[in-house]
Amino acid sequence: DIQMTQSPSTLSASVGDRVTITCRASQSISRWLAWYQQKPGKAPNLLIYKASNLESGVPSRFSGSGSGTEFSLTISSLQPDDFATYYCQQSNSYPYTFGQGTRLEIK
Amino acid sequence: QVQLQESGPGLVKPSQTLSLTCTVSGGSINSGSYYWTWIRQPAGKGLEWIGRIFTGSANYNPSLKSRLTISVDTSKNWFSLRLTSVTAADTAMYYCAVVGTTTNAFDIWGLGTMVTVSS
Repeated sequence: DIQMTQSPSTLSASVGDRVTITCRASQSISRWLAWYQQKPGKAPNLLIYKASNLESGVPSRFSGSGSGTEFSLTISSLQPDDFATYYCQQSNSYPYTFGQGTRLEIK
Repeated sequence: QVQLQESGPGLVKPSQTLSLTCTVSGGSINSGSYYWTWIRQPAGKGLEWIGRIFTGSANYNPSLKSRLTISVDTSKNWFSLRLTSVTAADTAMYYCAVVGTTTNAFDIWGLGTMVTVSS
């Protein structure tokens, strides 16, 4: 199985901050990487697919980059609605696997 | 826009079989546009891909493969999960989701259904 490792596990930030979450794959996954946002009691919501493609309806302050084994999700200017848990996920090979999650909390 | 709704028993006894269905609305399960998928999440923990089915062919997480069956009922426009010999480790929120053939990511999710394994 491909292991996905996110860092940091928890991130404290303020409204207006620029933040970056990183995701590392245990082997190359090309650009088959997605990012999700999950709020308490809700299903995850797709933000980014194929490493850098913004899902329809997702605000442009979210962006993704990377390829191979190193990826990142950047939020350019944090809004109150962005405080949530974020997961990366690879779809290069089965079984699909997720990172352990990054909890973004208000400083 | 496709919508998904999970249904099934909230409580299952250890060693018994868990059966869940995911009803698809707003589109046909025969469309060929999506891979139909199950994902689970224990309380306070991360996400685990269970398996998927597409045009009758299924792929399973090796950690569950010996106990798992995912199938499609085209007459009812739903797909289902059957997990045998459950233990407390199978207690989780279970989500159905679709992988879009364009995005290769989980585009659409159901609301989830909580399953507790307990006697």
